Amino acid sequence: NAGVTQTPKFQVLKTGQSMTLQCAQDMNHNSMYWYRQDPGMGLRLIYYSASEGTTDKGEVPNGYNVSRLNKREFSLRLESAAPSQTSVYFCASSEARRSYGYTFGSGTRLTVV
Amino acid sequence: QKEVEQDPGPLSVPEGAIVSLNCTYSNSAFQYFMWYRQYSRKGPELLMYTYSSGNKEDGRFTAQVDKSSKYISLFIRDSQPSDSATYLCAMIPSGGSYIPTFGRGTSLIVHP
Repeated sequence: NAGVTQTPKFQVLKTGQSMTLQCAQDMNHNSMYWYRQDPGMGLRLIYYSASEGTTDKGEVPNGYNVSRLNKREFSLRLESAAPSQTSVYFCASSEARRSYGYTFGSGTRLTVV
Repeated sequence: QKEVEQDPGPLSVPEGAIVSLNCTYSNSAFQYFMWYRQYSRKGPELLMYTYSSGNKEDGRFTAQVDKSSKYISLFIRDSQPSDSATYLCAMIPSGGSYIPTFGRGTSLIVHP
């Protein structure tokens, strides 16, 4: 099915461990985004990539890095995981930065212990 | 105060009821208004989009924007148990980064 694919779906990390969340879209979209969703906080933007080769910080970038590997793929890395990074992470894409509609993946549930 | 306020609920209604979901906002630059539906353990999906003020209808769903009051609504007619989900509003300002600001979402439960 066309859309946004995220891997892994679930992950448990120990404090201080690192990991990379993978995201790929097959809709030929130019812009991609990483959000985290926490109870009572809604969706908060971590980083986004308006087009291949560019990345920008969102509302909550501290503790994260991103790589826009190519037009299809946008990865999120946690270098040294902290319990505060326990969350559900969503990748999204849109045709362009000025598009109003985003297509979201199914999410990665991350627990840091 | 957050730019976009949305009551988290839960809102529980019987099947067949008319549901009204609402968001208020403080940024008068918001021009594009969206509603997303999010089922449990899934990503949000775009439900409806409106530009500036007015109404937009799509089947059982009607989106309404009142810019003078900084208030948007989503109405669901003849609600079904399959409508049980969290509904998030999102808004984009004219100009700037075009990054949407999301509400926290309202949990809706439609019971048979």
